[in-house]
Amino acid sequence: QLQLQESGPGLVKPSETLSLTCTVSGGSISSSSYYWGWIRQPPGKGLEWIGSIYYSGSTYYNPSLKSRVTISVDTSKNQFSLKLSSVTAADTAVYYCARLVPGVAATGWFDPWGQGTLVTVSS
Amino acid sequence: SYELTQPPSVSVSPGQTARITCSGDALPKQYAYWYQQKPGQAPVLVIYKDSERPSGIPERFSGSSSGTTVTLTISGVQAEDEADYYCQSADSSGTVVFGGGTKLTVL
Repeated sequence: QLQLQESGPGLVKPSETLSLTCTVSGGSISSSSYYWGWIRQPPGKGLEWIGSIYYSGSTYYNPSLKSRVTISVDTSKNQFSLKLSSVTAADTAVYYCARLVPGVAATGWFDPWGQGTLVTVSS
Repeated sequence: SYELTQPPSVSVSPGQTARITCSGDALPKQYAYWYQQKPGQAPVLVIYKDSERPSGIPERFSGSSSGTTVTLTISGVQAEDEADYYCQSADSSGTVVFGGGTKLTVL
C-alpha cells in the first residue's frame, strides 16, 4: 500500500525558505503513471495546490506561488521536495504531499495523501 | 483566476440525502474530483472523474455533472459522514484548483 510522509522543520522565520521532503514508500516515485504534488491548508481554511512534479523532473506550479516555489525529485531516495522562499505569516499552513493520478496531462486527482505537517512562520 | 464555488455549509438529518454542489466555468471540459476531510485528518478521495467511486468508498457516495455544475450526493447520510468536502478540478491552462469547501453537518 502506497504511503507518503512529509518531513521538515515545523517553524520557519519570516523571509527565510521553507523546505519539506515527502518520502514515498510502498511504491516507486519513478512510475511513469503518476505525478507527485504538494498542497497546503492554512489553519481553519481551505486547500491550495502548490505544485506538481513528474519523476523526470517536469514541474507545474500554481501561478500565484510560482515565483517562490521550487519542487524537485530524488528518484534514488524515492523522495520529492518543496522549497518556498521569502515566507511570511500567510504561509503558515499544514503542508500535504500526495500522489497525483493524471486525468488530462498533469491534472487529475490526488490519492493518497500524506498525513500533513504543520509549518508555522514566526520569529 | 479560475474559481470553483461551493456552498459553505449543508445540513441534513441522518438517513436523508445530502447534495453538495460545485460550480465553475471550465467544468464542462474538465473532470471534477471530490475529497472528504475530517477534523485533524488528511483529505480522502471519494469521487474521481465526475462520478467514479474509488474502491473502499461506500456506495452511498455518488457524483454527477451537468453543465458548469458538479454535484456530490450522499444518500442515507450517516453521522460518520459529517466532514468538510472539497471539489477539485483544473482551469484551461492546467492549473489545479480547489473549491472553498463545504461543511456537512448531520443534525
